[in-house]
Amino acid sequence: EDQVTQSPEALRLQEGESSSLNCSYTVSGLRGLFWYRQDPGKGPEFLFTLYSAGEEKEKERLKATLTKKESFLHITAPKPEDSATYLCAVQGNGDYKLSFGAGTTVTVRA
Amino acid sequence: DSGVTQTPKHLITATGQRVTLRCSPRSGDLSVYWYQQSLDQGLQFLIQYYNGEERAKGNILERFSAQQFPDLHSELNLSSLELGDSALYFCASSVGRGEQFFGPGTRLTVL
Repeated sequence: EDQVTQSPEALRLQEGESSSLNCSYTVSGLRGLFWYRQDPGKGPEFLFTLYSAGEEKEKERLKATLTKKESFLHITAPKPEDSATYLCAVQGNGDYKLSFGAGTTVTVRA
Repeated sequence: DSGVTQTPKHLITATGQRVTLRCSPRSGDLSVYWYQQSLDQGLQFLIQYYNGEERAKGNILERFSAQQFPDLHSELNLSSLELGDSALYFCASSVGRGEQFFGPGTRLTVL
């Protein structure tokens, strides 16, 4: 069974204070690793897909990287509007479903 | 806006009752997925339909069922509701395998 562990559970940052979120995964054959952002009471919003170790994707202040066992989401110079829960999910070869981690809740103070 | 729509936004009902949640996928997407999100379990995959046929099942209770119609919209039916079924229910859609786009969710409260 696919396993996804995210750390830390919560992260409080000052505006402009860069940091990284971790996603460790176990899957029998990774087809893709996905990052989503979720605001309270809303549906997850797709951010990135990573397919192979060494791959990196960037969008504004967010950068996602992938190794064979984990992925990192780097937040550079965050702003209060980056406050959200960030979810990591994996999709195994032969699967359509996504298996999600519990998420990291990021709070950015002005 | 992901392009996935869900109705209703909120649903309050009593134990033992039956409800139906509706989802319309993004235009062109043939796959529809249902997920349940509760505080203690996180986002859990329930079931997937592809072009009208059931493709995959997760930990979906026997009291729950779903279908996808010829116009590709999907319905999730929850029956004999229990307090523990209170959760956010999300629908997602995709073209094939890969990134899934989520709707705004239906918040179900069972009293």
